[in-house]
Amino acid sequence: DIQMTQSPSSLPASLGDRVTITCRASQDIGNYLRWFQQKPGKSPRLMIYGATNLAAGVPSRFSGSRSGSDYSLTISSLESEDMADYYCLQSKESPFTFGSGTKLEIK
Amino acid sequence: QIQLVQSGPELKKPGESLKISCKASGYTFTDYAMQWVKQAPGKGLQYMGWINTQTGKPTYADDFKERFVFSLETSASTAYLQINNLKNEDTATYFCARVYGYNSYWGQGVMVTVSS
Repeated sequence: DIQMTQSPSSLPASLGDRVTITCRASQDIGNYLRWFQQKPGKSPRLMIYGATNLAAGVPSRFSGSRSGSDYSLTISSLESEDMADYYCLQSKESPFTFGSGTKLEIK
Repeated sequence: QIQLVQSGPELKKPGESLKISCKASGYTFTDYAMQWVKQAPGKGLQYMGWINTQTGKPTYADDFKERFVFSLETSASTAYLQINNLKNEDTATYFCARVYGYNSYWGQGVMVTVSS
């Protein structure tokens, strides 16, 4: 199975900060990479699909990028509503696999 | 609008079985696969597998090849997750999800508690 190594596991940050979360794929997944946001007690919300495409309704401060086997989610200027858990998901090969998650919290 | 509505919370004893439902509406059920995801308390998302809603063929991730069964009732646009011989470590929230292309729809999750 494809392994997705996500870092960091926890990211303390201040409002207005630029933050980046990264997932590294253990083998080629092309652009079959999605990012999800999850708030406590809620279902995950799609933020990015196809590694770089913003999902509908997602603020433009979110962006996705790829460099080789490294995939990143960046928030350009952190807002309080962005405090949540974030997960990457590869869908290149079945079974899909999630990264281990990043908890974004206020410093 | 597209919705996935799951059944209610469950409290079970070790060794028992349960069956969770996920009813889809707002789209043609057989046009999209259904995924299943586990989230243990305080833990991350774990992909369980998926079921082909046209053929009924399930595919399980390695950790879910025993005791877990995906099934369908196509006439009712409903997918099911059955867990047999429940163990304490099955305590978790279970989500059904339609993840395809630029969209993603999730059920509200079913909290399953396994305790003697």
